[in-house]
Amino acid sequence: EPEVTQTPSHQVTQMGQEVILRCVPISNHLYFYWYRQILGQKVEFLVSFYNNEISEKSEIFDDQFSVERPDGSNFTLKIRSTKLEDSAMYFCASRDPGQDIYEQYFGPGTRLTVT
Amino acid sequence: DQQVKQNSPSLSVQEGRISILNCDYTNSMFDYFLWYKKYPAEGPTFLISISSIKDKNEDGRFTVFLNKSAKHLSLHIVPSQPGDSAVYFCAASGYEKLTFGTGTRLTIIP
Repeated sequence: EPEVTQTPSHQVTQMGQEVILRCVPISNHLYFYWYRQILGQKVEFLVSFYNNEISEKSEIFDDQFSVERPDGSNFTLKIRSTKLEDSAMYFCASRDPGQDIYEQYFGPGTRLTVT
Repeated sequence: DQQVKQNSPSLSVQEGRISILNCDYTNSMFDYFLWYKKYPAEGPTFLISISSIKDKNEDGRFTVFLNKSAKHLSLHIVPSQPGDSAVYFCAASGYEKLTFGTGTRLTIIP
């Protein structure tokens, strides 16, 4: 069964450093998403991406964040200058482009620890 | 932001009995609702969904009920099995993003 994959599974970085989180969505999906879950809190939407552009973003997704689909398979989230409060699980998700299909399929997540 | 709420943080159910997980929402613009199951250190796994034009959707042991007038949905699992022990999230969609509830930890007692 096709699945979303994410690398690395755990990333430790120092405050102020740049990190890139990588995702490989399910191959025929065309809608891509990033969510995060801070420990003990709910899963929060960050950004959605379709047709090589951002279609929606939350107030969390400020200028420090960017997304890119550098090739036909990868989808990346970059945090330019990490802060302590960026420590969280980051989940990538993808969705089938079919009509009336809203289910998003999630990857296993990347645990980001900012020290 | 409490647009989607799961008021029971935990629920314990005997194996073989019915598990009922509840979810309330406030935003009437939501038109699609989903349930996800999550194990520790894993991503949410999609379980079942329902469109706002329906009031029930069934898939094997899982049934989701939607009461639009009450802005309430529930997930029924019957019969409950030990492998169902996990955290269950309801989520609502109005456009692209999913808005998640805080989750209910379901424990199935053998």
